[in-house]
Amino acid sequence: SAVISQKPSRDICQRGTSLTIQCQVDSQVTMMFWYRQQPGQSLTLIATANQGSEATYESGFVIDKFPISRPNLTFSTLTVSNMSPEDSSIYLCSVGPYNEQFFGPGTRLTVL
Amino acid sequence: RKEVEQDPGPFNVPEGATVAFNCTYSNSASQSFFWYRQDCRKEPKLLMSVYSSGNEDGRFTAQLNRASQYISLLIRDSKLSDSATYLCVVNSYGQNFVFGPGTRLSVLP
Repeated sequence: SAVISQKPSRDICQRGTSLTIQCQVDSQVTMMFWYRQQPGQSLTLIATANQGSEATYESGFVIDKFPISRPNLTFSTLTVSNMSPEDSSIYLCSVGPYNEQFFGPGTRLTVL
Repeated sequence: RKEVEQDPGPFNVPEGATVAFNCTYSNSASQSFFWYRQDCRKEPKLLMSVYSSGNEDGRFTAQLNRASQYISLLIRDSKLSDSATYLCVVNSYGQNFVFGPGTRLSVLP
């Protein structure tokens, strides 16, 4: 299984600011995903990070709010833009084929 | 109707008990099924895949009923360390994973 790290592990931010979360994998992977887990909720897929092309966003998520970069097969970033308290959540990246996914440790974001 | 539904829980059981979780899914085209475990403040981790023939891994048994679009997870001889949230996950080939809301289990001494 892949080893996945995320930075930062947690942050407290002021509303109106932006935060960029990094996801690093120890091996090249084709599929990389970004999820959100709001307090007490399950995981919701934000987007699929595609290497060399624009990310594929799920319904309810837009590029202006959650821009994603995927410069190579081991790294991706997710930016949470113009944050509001409703963005307080855990953000997780995951990698894997369609029959199995491995998750990073998550980034716990609190927006004041 | 949500795409994946689970018993709401929480389940509070004594050590040594047997506990079963249920999950239903709405997309009949779903092809892959999994149980993930998520400890408090941790990321989800794959517990086991679920096959049509059913599969067992130690104290854990998973079953799939495609006709009823139903998945189950049975835990025998519960341990304190089994306390976690159990997530039912479903996907179709080429599609994304869909996570259920999770069922929280607390195993009590």
